[in-house]
Amino acid sequence: GQQLNQSPQSMFIQEGEDVSMNCTSSSIFNTWLWYKQDPGEGPVLLIALYKAGELTSNGRLTAQFGITRKDSFLNISASIPSDVGIYFCAGRRGNTPLVFGKGTRLSVIA
Amino acid sequence: DTGVSQNPRHKITKRGQNVTFRCDPISEHNRLYWYRQTLGQGPEFLTYFQNEAQLEKSRLLSDRFSAERPKGSFSTLEIQRTEQGDSAMYLCASSRAWAGRTEAFFGQGTRLTVV
Repeated sequence: GQQLNQSPQSMFIQEGEDVSMNCTSSSIFNTWLWYKQDPGEGPVLLIALYKAGELTSNGRLTAQFGITRKDSFLNISASIPSDVGIYFCAGRRGNTPLVFGKGTRLSVIA
Repeated sequence: DTGVSQNPRHKITKRGQNVTFRCDPISEHNRLYWYRQTLGQGPEFLTYFQNEAQLEKSRLLSDRFSAERPKGSFSTLEIQRTEQGDSAMYLCASSRAWAGRTEAFFGQGTRLTVV
């Protein structure tokens, strides 16, 4: 099935560093969602974006809906060990079901 | 709000057996989705319901797969004559569409291992 292009695939960072990851699509989306998944668990919703250019924060997390409507970015500031996990972007066109990226695996070195 | 609940959490079955998974969505959510996730991949859409109507099925959903949502509440996903390639995490999500906003919330998943 169709998937979004998510990068980087994995990141190793020091505790306290900021993190940036992004997601791109060849198609225009009208909704972008960001999820975090821990091993053996389901994805947990972090941020939802509904308008081109929208910038939304959730604590140390900030996400943006790209103005081209074909991309989205997630930033994590001052990373901590519990930020470890896999981050997924997901997009939707119209009323279609969500399409997911392959994820960015984040590892934090204390 | 008790969240999306999936049962069982884990299932090990022999090839050729039938399995059934259950999903209880968040109570006021009218949409329910099934996804499948294999190692190193993001969730892949299988099918979704709006109330009791099954509105879309992915080409990933072979004839051996069937999903139901009687009365628009809980849903079941059945896999008949399981194959080793069916081994995956099966995820259920629910959402309530309003004012164009459709955040989907996931359950903890059912991990299926076919031996």
